[in-house]
Amino acid sequence: DIQMTQSPSSLSASVGDRVTITCRASQSIGSFLNWYQQKPGKAPKVLIYGASTVQSGVPSRFSGSGSGTDFTLTISSLQTEDFATYYCQQSYSNSYAFGQGTRLEIK
Amino acid sequence: QVQLVQSGAEVKKPGSSVKVSCKGSGGTFSTYGINWVRQGPGQGLEWMGGIIPILGIATYAQKFLDRVTITMDESTNTAYMEVSSLRSEDMAVYYCARGTTVTGPFDYWGQGTLVTVSA
Repeated sequence: DIQMTQSPSSLSASVGDRVTITCRASQSIGSFLNWYQQKPGKAPKVLIYGASTVQSGVPSRFSGSGSGTDFTLTISSLQTEDFATYYCQQSYSNSYAFGQGTRLEIK
Repeated sequence: QVQLVQSGAEVKKPGSSVKVSCKGSGGTFSTYGINWVRQGPGQGLEWMGGIIPILGIATYAQKFLDRVTITMDESTNTAYMEVSSLRSEDMAVYYCARGTTVTGPFDYWGQGTLVTVSA
């Protein structure tokens, strides 16, 4: 099965900061990489799919890049509502594995 | 507006089974996959399996192959996920989620169902 590894596992940042989260797949997954945001007590919400396509309704400060095995999620200017946990997920194979998550906290 | 509404919280004894439902509305579900994802206390997301109703085929993560059954009642747009031989490690919030395509993201999610396993 494909394994997904995110880094860092947690991150402290301030409002207005630029933040980057990385995700690595254990084998090539093309561009079949999705990013989700989850807030406490809520279901995850898709932000980015196909590695770089922003889901409708998601603010433009969120962007994604990468292909093959290495991917990044970037938030260009952090807002208060962005403090949450972020997960990557591969949809190349039907094991749909998630990364372990990156918790983004207020500094 | 697409909505997935799950059944309520459950308290089960070790060794028993639990069946969680997920009713879809506001869209066509026969051609979309319905997936099940669980999240243990303070843990990350774990894909358990899914079903594509029009194909009638369920697939499962390796670790759940022998204890999880996913079914779909197309007449009511309701998916079901049953876990048997429950153990304490199965205590989690279980989510259903719609897959846009076989290789796409999960775009709509249910509200989650908490399953507590306790003697």
